Amino acid sequence: KAGVTQTPRYLIKTRGQQVTLSCSPISGHRSVSWYQQTPGQGLQFLFEYFSETQRNKGNFPGRFSGRQFSNSRSEMNVSTLELGDSALYLCASSLEAHREYYGYTFGSGTRLTVV
Amino acid sequence: LAKTTQPISMDSYEGQEVNITCSHNNIATNDYITWYQQFPSQGPRFIIQGYKTKVTNEVASLFIPADRKSSTLSLPRVSLSDTAVYYCLVGNDTGRRALTFGSGTRLQVQP
Repeated sequence: KAGVTQTPRYLIKTRGQQVTLSCSPISGHRSVSWYQQTPGQGLQFLFEYFSETQRNKGNFPGRFSGRQFSNSRSEMNVSTLELGDSALYLCASSLEAHREYYGYTFGSGTRLTVV
Repeated sequence: LAKTTQPISMDSYEGQEVNITCSHNNIATNDYITWYQQFPSQGPRFIIQGYKTKVTNEVASLFIPADRKSSTLSLPRVSLSDTAVYYCLVGNDTGRRALTFGSGTRLQVQP
């Protein structure tokens, strides 16, 4: 079955612009999480959506936002881009209602470069 | 969520067995131990998960002692393609669905 699809794969934006990244989860997966990965901070949790509702949020400024659609596809938006927002943005999807701490499937990410 | 400590890097040669140990002294009773593998410019990939004793799958084995304060990921007969960063995570899925990644262990396999 198809994996987690993230688009675009690469993106170059200018400081002050805004950007929207897209994530299509595995069919049947209702939970979508977003992570930011940078060389300095490593992998950091941004937020998680389930059934179109944000269920969990990491420690990022309000410039970072997201949403989930009824088909479980998710988008994240970063407004007023800063140089420090340059990173690999990863999306992970998972089934709901399982007690074990695994089952997250990650996409290949979107590499965002802010110049 | 429990904090984990892993070696920053390890080196090995093709065909050797590699053991990566993770320390998690404050693991909670209902926490599981999960390992992910990440190649450059790709998302992490689930390798193995366990709660206690030993778990084995087609990729790796996970050894967890009785006190569960550490765990060891064992990769048998590594190849060049096993060069990656390996993350140890500790937690449980009780509503807090955020994965907390540490710095990971960068494994370099030489020919």
